[in-house]
Amino acid sequence: SAVISQKPSRDICQRGTSLTIQCQVDSQVTMMFWYRQQPGQSLTLIATANQGSEATYESGFVIDKFPISRPNLTFSTLTVSNMSPEDSSIYLCSVKTEEAFFGQGTRLTVV
Amino acid sequence: AQTVTQSQPEMSVQEAETVTLSCTYDTSESDYYLFWYKQPPSRQMILVIRQEAYKQQNATENRFSVNFQKAAKSFSLKISDSQLGDAAMYFCAYSLPGASGTYKYIFGTGTRLKVLA
Repeated sequence: SAVISQKPSRDICQRGTSLTIQCQVDSQVTMMFWYRQQPGQSLTLIATANQGSEATYESGFVIDKFPISRPNLTFSTLTVSNMSPEDSSIYLCSVKTEEAFFGQGTRLTVV
Repeated sequence: AQTVTQSQPEMSVQEAETVTLSCTYDTSESDYYLFWYKQPPSRQMILVIRQEAYKQQNATENRFSVNFQKAAKSFSLKISDSQLGDAAMYFCAYSLPGASGTYKYIFGTGTRLKVLA
């Protein structure tokens, strides 16, 4: 199993600003995953963060908008850049083996 | 196409009663895992139950059990003796093993379960 600490748990941000979400895992993992969950919807994978290489982004997500850092095997950050109200969502980090483990989520509201 | 379909956006159940949440999926793979996750208002995704596709026996975890029909690609969740704390969003998902020990996850759109006192 894995315990994932994610912060902040929530934030309200002004449009045009950026927010960095942090994710700490209690064990070393090769890959970490970032998801977006828009209101009332399921989880959409944003990108896969590998330690020591650039993140791999899913269709519809780009590095300039969602830069990701992965400085070591237990930590990752996701930045939501130049925010607009459409970025208001829950953002979740995850690690996966056969089973997926999730952070507590960050509820982002952009005003 | 790899998809997970939850046809019930919302369900209600009386406390202490039983409810079944439906899930169908589509994959051409033979080796995969199936999951039900619960997301209460706290937003934490919590694993409820998992099923290995190669196992014929349906998984059971206390009050939670599944009806896994591999040929029909159906994976329903039954909650017995429903409790107020069961109220949450429930997501059905499956994972496929990929390269380098990774797993690709596909999630359904979720079913919101309300438990009535």
